[in-house]
Amino acid sequence: ILNVEQSPQSLHVQEGDSTNFTCSFPSSNFYALHWYRWETAKSPEALFVMTLNGDEKKKGRISATLNTKEGYSYLYIKGSQPEDSATYLCAFPLMEYGNKLVFGAGTILRVKS
Amino acid sequence: DTEVTQTPKHLVMGMTNKKSLKCEQHMGHRAMYWYKQKAKKPPELMFVYSYEKLSINESVPSRFSPECPNSSLLNLHLHALQPEDSALYLCASSQNEKLFFGSGTQLSVL
Repeated sequence: ILNVEQSPQSLHVQEGDSTNFTCSFPSSNFYALHWYRWETAKSPEALFVMTLNGDEKKKGRISATLNTKEGYSYLYIKGSQPEDSATYLCAFPLMEYGNKLVFGAGTILRVKS
Repeated sequence: DTEVTQTPKHLVMGMTNKKSLKCEQHMGHRAMYWYKQKAKKPPELMFVYSYEKLSINESVPSRFSPECPNSSLLNLHLHALQPEDSALYLCASSQNEKLFFGSGTQLSVL
């Protein structure tokens, strides 16, 4: 079965720090890589859908890069704020099974003010 | 309206009860999903409906019975559940590739 690995499992940073975490996925049969943010008691929210090797996407202070050849994606948060505290999930679609997304276990980010 | 609405938010049920989880979206999305998430684990796909037809069943036990009455609604009927079925049940819909999630139903089976 497909493994999507995320590291670290959790991260505690101070307000204003910049941080990054990793999603690793199989590099064969790549179609896309999704990033979601999941705040406590809210719905998971899509951040990015990345499809091209070398792709870099940005949304405010959050950006993501993609390396499909080596099978990893980095999510960066610049100048972390307490409202960035959430679980960040990456997901890999298995297109041979329809639109089946396989999720990583997530990175829990806590930003202290 | 870009929301996926799930009800109830919390549910406690006994092993002999029958209950239903409901999910609704009015974004015109034609694919709808049920995911199960246990604490500190990734969400796991249970069912996918595409154009109101069941397209994926991830070998889910028959005590979980999905239903898609129309393109906006998705139900999950629960019967004779086990305590290990206690989890967060998430509904999602999609257009193209991005998933839009509801906030989930936290289910406890006693």
